[in-house]
Amino acid sequence: DQQVKQNSPSLSVQEGRISILNCDYTNSMFDYFLWYKKYPAEGPTFLISISSIKDKNEDGRFTVFLNKSAKHLSLHIVPSQPGDSAVYFCAASYTGANSKLTFGKGITLSVRP
Amino acid sequence: EAGVAQSPRYKIIEKRQSVAFWCNPISGHATLYWYQQILGQGPKLLIQFQNNGVVDDSQLPKDRFSAERLKGVDSTLKIQPAKLEDSAVYLCASSVAQESYGYTFGSGTRLTVV
Repeated sequence: DQQVKQNSPSLSVQEGRISILNCDYTNSMFDYFLWYKKYPAEGPTFLISISSIKDKNEDGRFTVFLNKSAKHLSLHIVPSQPGDSAVYFCAASYTGANSKLTFGKGITLSVRP
Repeated sequence: EAGVAQSPRYKIIEKRQSVAFWCNPISGHATLYWYQQILGQGPKLLIQFQNNGVVDDSQLPKDRFSAERLKGVDSTLKIQPAKLEDSAVYLCASSVAQESYGYTFGSGTRLTVV
């Protein structure tokens, strides 16, 4: 049973445009959400997070939006750059889970120059 | 700050053989995690240590997988005997505290079982 779903396996955007990466979850207990970025042959690196008490968190070119009623979150990258090309994982956890993360399958983002 | 160190980077073994992976977390990080990432899937937690104690090993296949974190620093993950479905990247991560979500991951060990 996949509790964190990233239904689109890949996304291709033009440099300078917006990239929107989507993630859905099914477990109502989740109250903390994260995005990780992964380059080939490297481990995932933490990108941005959001608590369920917020609906938006912004860090430079990266913004995460949370819609709790729809159990949906999205990562916006504006403007997209070729260096953003990577696999992006959505992850979720909940209070009391001892920071155990449940990951989605990942989305491969390609930013075309 | 040095990152999370893992070795080896790659390992190829035959099924039914045994294999061990090593992880050295960031200095001072009390919490250590081992995740398994099968190709095309997201990482899945195998085991979590707080210092040298196990916090969560509910998804560790204990009939063949074992892990230890002696002295609360380095950790080893062992598979014995290996199966074809154990082919995956094994990621080690560490964090300052048990309720700290911003893990730092190592580069992983890619295991191929043939």
